[in-house]
Amino acid sequence: EIVLTQSPGTLSLSPGERATLSCRASQSVTSRYLAWYQQKPGQAPRLLIYGASSRATGIPDRFSGSGSGTDFTLTISRLEPEDFAVYYCQQYGGSPPNTFGHGTKVEIK
Amino acid sequence: EVQLVESGGGLVQPGGSLRLSCAASGFTFSNYDIHWVRQATGKGLEWVSGIGTAIDAHYPGSVKGRFTISRENAKNSVYLQMNSLRAGDTAVYYCARGTYCNSTDCYRSGFDIWGQGTMVTVSS
Repeated sequence: EIVLTQSPGTLSLSPGERATLSCRASQSVTSRYLAWYQQKPGQAPRLLIYGASSRATGIPDRFSGSGSGTDFTLTISRLEPEDFAVYYCQQYGGSPPNTFGHGTKVEIK
Repeated sequence: EVQLVESGGGLVQPGGSLRLSCAASGFTFSNYDIHWVRQATGKGLEWVSGIGTAIDAHYPGSVKGRFTISRENAKNSVYLQMNSLRAGDTAVYYCARGTYCNSTDCYRSGFDIWGQGTMVTVSS
């Protein structure tokens, strides 16, 4: 089973700052099948990035994903007030076919 | 509008059963994998099952043998039959849209559409 480890657990930043979130897999992720989601309290998750670096429909270009193999990164270039949330990575090509990381909370400093 | 709507959650005793439904609209349902993902209060996301366009079903070890996913394309619906429920199954259950497959290829792009969730509470 592929285990995803996200770091840091919490990121305290101010609006306008850059956020860098890490997701490390216990084994190589098939074909870069790595996604990132944003979740706000009381809401369902929202897909941000798929295929490690492709933005989902309607996602602003301040969100970007990179990485391959076992190391992946989500970058938010300049934090907007609505970006403070919890972010999850997910691999969707392994066995079992889907696992999530434990999340990184981006909070206002 | 493309959407998924879950129903069927509620309070059930340990050892009991519950059947969740996920109704889809606004897209060609039969061309997509559909998944169930749960989230206990204050915790992270856990994938609990998925069903492909070829009716292939997948589960993680935590629910295998207790949960059964099925789909009814004529009704644009997916179901999750949950048996032998435990306190640890208490969570909000979301359905989500996954891989798209046409007659020649499949396109994996994560879970792009989610429902609003339905709460399952296992307690005596």
